[in-house]
Amino acid sequence: DGGITQSPKYLFRKEGQNVTLSCEQNLNHDAMYWYRQDPGQGLRLIYYSQIVNDFQKGDIAEGYSVSREKKESFPLTVTSAQKNPTAFYLCASSMGTSGRADTQYFGPGTRLTVL
Amino acid sequence: GQQVMQIPQYQHVQEGEDFTTYCNSSTTLSNIQWYKQRPGGHPVFLIQLVKSGEVKKQKRLTFQFGEAKKNSSLHITATQTTDVGTYFCAGAGTASKLTFGTGTRLQVTL
Repeated sequence: DGGITQSPKYLFRKEGQNVTLSCEQNLNHDAMYWYRQDPGQGLRLIYYSQIVNDFQKGDIAEGYSVSREKKESFPLTVTSAQKNPTAFYLCASSMGTSGRADTQYFGPGTRLTVL
Repeated sequence: GQQVMQIPQYQHVQEGEDFTTYCNSSTTLSNIQWYKQRPGGHPVFLIQLVKSGEVKKQKRLTFQFGEAKKNSSLHITATQTTDVGTYFCAGAGTASKLTFGTGTRLQVTL
């Protein structure tokens, strides 16, 4: 069963704690992305990676960090430096072979609440 | 940086009425994609448009890409309750990332 998995679906953390969100894909896609979605808002790009061991900042990277040690995995850490971390986090992947933006496949998302 | 705006933000229609959402980019796009997000769900790819002036249809949905490749529209004919959700356009510039529009939330009532 191919696809993108994100865990957990809901996550609660205390203010000041770092938290890592998981994203795994078995689609053999080269490119992976992290987006943040706030209620009633669009998707804003946090980080993206076009190839293993390489990643670029998106539009709202401050307070977040990522790693891409394996093709299948692109974990996102929400650090204590992120001023307003409560949001819905979506991971996506795409083939990424053309060098241009192609179709993105999204995981089910993780809803993070910081208390 | 590139910005993509959508209007309207929200539309409420009666089942059977038509619906249109418009997408405008601040820069010329190499392609534009449309996604649908059901309430509580994640975005799902609908279609990609690449050519200037391109029109594509999927059953009751019609997608258009403007001649200048800076705007696009999605038109739904005779809406059904299954059309409920938020529709996002996403523009691709020269890089490999997409810039998502602000989305249009569609509510359909009987």
